[in-house]
Amino acid sequence: DTEVTQTPKHLVMGMTNKKSLKCEQHMGHRAMYWYKQKAKKPPELMFVYSYEKLSINESVPSRFSPECPNSSLLNLHLHALQPEDSALYLCASSQLGLPQETQYFGPGTRLLVL
Amino acid sequence: AQTVTQSQPEMSVQEAETVTLSCTYDTSESDYYLFWYKQPPSRQMILVIRQEAYKQQNATENRFSVNFQKAAKSFSLKISDSQLGDAAMYFCAYRAFTGANSKLTFGKGITLSVRP
Repeated sequence: DTEVTQTPKHLVMGMTNKKSLKCEQHMGHRAMYWYKQKAKKPPELMFVYSYEKLSINESVPSRFSPECPNSSLLNLHLHALQPEDSALYLCASSQLGLPQETQYFGPGTRLLVL
Repeated sequence: AQTVTQSQPEMSVQEAETVTLSCTYDTSESDYYLFWYKQPPSRQMILVIRQEAYKQQNATENRFSVNFQKAAKSFSLKISDSQLGDAAMYFCAYRAFTGANSKLTFGKGITLSVRP
């Protein structure tokens, strides 16, 4: 089973709203990732969690706040977003320890900021 | 820094025919992984195939196979007996062999259309 789930599928929010994106996996993976993807572009890495600790932050603006409550869950808290933040937000997970570090992606949350 | 280049933004193939998607990369590492991911329109990105650089044998998954040329730093994907469901954006990606937090470096992607 290589399933990563994400909720919600779609989200529309105003620039003053606070919302959260959720990601869940039950594959026992110990690394989880957030990506941002614009239409017809490759995913851009935002954050990486390894063993529930933030290990990579790709200089993402503070209006994006990640959280990893446990090894199966990953959240992305959104606050005071800008219209240019509208995109598909992808979550991925992978095992740690070669050769199992293949990343498996969720279906994404399509975010529209008005 | 590693780079991945997919120089063709779009390709088209007739159903049941074979198509090859090109990818080149640049790295100073000797060990690494290469991937092809498929992303259908408005659908989930899924792993198509993976190649370990230390393996000489080209990876194969059903109708999908790769031509891995390590010296030329080339990693092309061949899709045989193309089906309508193969229409998607395909991304080539690279990951270094070492480091628990090795990042995926993606190419720009290629949009494949399949003509019935």
